[in-house]
Formats: sequence, C-alpha cells, structure tokens
Amino acid sequence: AQSVTQPDIHITVSEGASLELRCNYSYGATPYLFWYVQSPGQGLQLLLKYFSGDTLVQGIKGFEAEFKRSQSSFNLRKPSVHWSDAAEYFCAVSRSGGSYIPTFGRGTSLIVHP
Amino acid sequence: EPEVTQTPSHQVTQMGQEVILRCVPISNHLYFYWYRQILGQKVEFLVSFYNNEISEKSEIFDDQFSVERPDGSNFTLKIRSTKLEDSAMYFCASKVAGGEQFFGPGTRLTVL
Repeated sequence: AQSVTQPDIHITVSEGASLELRCNYSYGATPYLFWYVQSPGQGLQLLLKYFSGDTLVQGIKGFEAEFKRSQSSFNLRKPSVHWSDAAEYFCAVSRSGGSYIPTFGRGTSLIVHP
Repeated sequence: EPEVTQTPSHQVTQMGQEVILRCVPISNHLYFYWYRQILGQKVEFLVSFYNNEISEKSEIFDDQFSVERPDGSNFTLKIRSTKLEDSAMYFCASKVAGGEQFFGPGTRLTVL
C-alpha cells in the first residue's frame, strides 16, 4: 500500500523568501503524485500533479515540484512566497492508472510573516 | 467557475443520532467521493461512487455509513448511529473520467 510522509508539521517563512515543502512517498511502482492546498474554510485545491514525463512539474500560483525517484520525493517549491500562500499543504500519492484515489500526507501548515 | 458545494458547513449532533451530509458535485461530473479528516490527522478516503454504486471503499466505511445519489444533483453520506470518533471534517469530491478531483469546502461534524 502507498503512504506519504510530510516531515514538517509547520513551516514559517518571511514574505518574499523561497519555500520548499518536503514530501516522501512509499509505493512499489511509479506513482501518481499530487500537491493540494487548503485555505481556511476552503476545500482542497489541486496545485499540481505528476503522472509521467518531465520530472519538474509546474503548477498554479507559481508553485513547482520535482519528482525524484531515487529519493522517493516530490518536494514543493516556490521562489518567492506571498502572504496569501499561508495555508495547509497536502502531498498525496495514488497508484498509477485506474481510479487513482489519493493517499494523503498529514499536511504542512505554512505560516508567512510580513 | 463551477465548484463542489457541501451543506451544512457545521453539524452538531448527539452520539447515537443519524446524520446526513450533503454534497452537490459539479454538474457534468460522474465520479463522486467522500473523505474525512479528523482534527490534526490525515485526510482519509472513505468511499467512491460511480454509476449509482459504490466502486471502492476503505476500512473506515463500515456498515454505519452509506452513500446515495437520491436525484441528479445531490450526493449524500449518511452515518446511521454517530459515535464520538466520527467527529471530523468530511469532504466531498467529484471528477470526470481521467480528470482531477475537485473538493468541496467540507462539513465539520461534531458528535457530543
């Protein structure tokens, strides 16, 4: 069965600073990988996904993530954080093909200081 | 932009009572899902639904849970006899074939 680890429960950055949120997964084959963002009172919004091909994936809101098979990682990055990026971020993995129901990590809460 | 909606936003109930959580998926979507998130824990898959039947369910989705699409727009999750440990945020999601899931804002269920 697949699993996801997000080792950081909270991350605090200053506005304008760069950001990297870590995600490691466990899955026997090449997975489908996702990053979701959840703002307070909102549902989960898909930031980006990796299915195959280029391992550097561009998403919405200026986010990108890189799939590194050798490290079983799919870290999320943004070069310059905005105050509106403060939210909960979830990494998820699903089996490739089929219904790809995601297994979520515990989430990382991003706090942005002015 | 079309979105998934859920009602109510917050439901408080007594232990042992039945609750029905409602979701209105995006209109052309055919695949429907329920997830839950206990406070401070992971988002967990409960059930998926397609073509008027359950296509997949998790261990969490036991006999006290049921889902229904009673008409062309609503997708409901019923918990027959709520327990304290059912307190969580419940998310509905929908999608088209091959597409990404779109999530609703969630219903916070509090069981007293």
